[in-house]
Amino acid sequence: DIVMTQSPDSLAVSLGERATINCKSSQSVYSSNNKNYLAWYQQVPGQPPKLLIYWASTRESGVPDRFSGSGSGTDFTLTISSLQAEDVAVYYCQQYYTTPCSFGQGTKLEIK
Amino acid sequence: EVQVLESGGGLVQPGGSLRLSCAASGFTFSSYAMSWVRQAPGKGLECVSVISGSGDSTYYADSVKGRFTVSRDNSKNTLYLQMNSLRTEDTAVYYCAKDATEQWRNWFDPWGQGTLVTVSS
Repeated sequence: DIVMTQSPDSLAVSLGERATINCKSSQSVYSSNNKNYLAWYQQVPGQPPKLLIYWASTRESGVPDRFSGSGSGTDFTLTISSLQAEDVAVYYCQQYYTTPCSFGQGTKLEIK
Repeated sequence: EVQVLESGGGLVQPGGSLRLSCAASGFTFSSYAMSWVRQAPGKGLECVSVISGSGDSTYYADSVKGRFTVSRDNSKNTLYLQMNSLRTEDTAVYYCAKDATEQWRNWFDPWGQGTLVTVSS
């Protein structure tokens, strides 16, 4: 099974500043079709997760462009370029390279 | 609008059973794999089970293998999760999630609002 590990577990960033969340997989999620099977979700308390990014770097329609994803193979990053108050949430990475899928443990993002 | 809506959660004693349902609308249900993902109180997300669009293929997390059974009725656009031999550690919000594309191995979009299962004596 693929184990996903996020860092840090929690993060406090000032409004307007950059937030960076890392995700590492225990084995590569890069496939021969030149795609990384990695997604990012945002979850606010009491709500289901919301899709932000898929194929490691493709932003879902309607997601603000301050959110971006990068990385390949086993190391990935979610970046929020300029933190807004509404971005306070827990963020999860997910691999869908193998079945069943697996998630990172989550990163709690707060305002400093 | 594409929607999935769970039901069937509740309080059950250890060793008991419960069946969750997920009603889907707004898309061709039989064309998409569907998954159950759970979240224990204050914890992260765990992929529990996935079933192919036709229902021919199913997969389970090791933590539920042999106790949970996923199924679907494509004529009713409904996904099910039969949970037997429930344990206190199965206490969680259970989400139904649709595969984003018709290909196998996907991210999830959308997710349902979730249904709470509490296993306690």
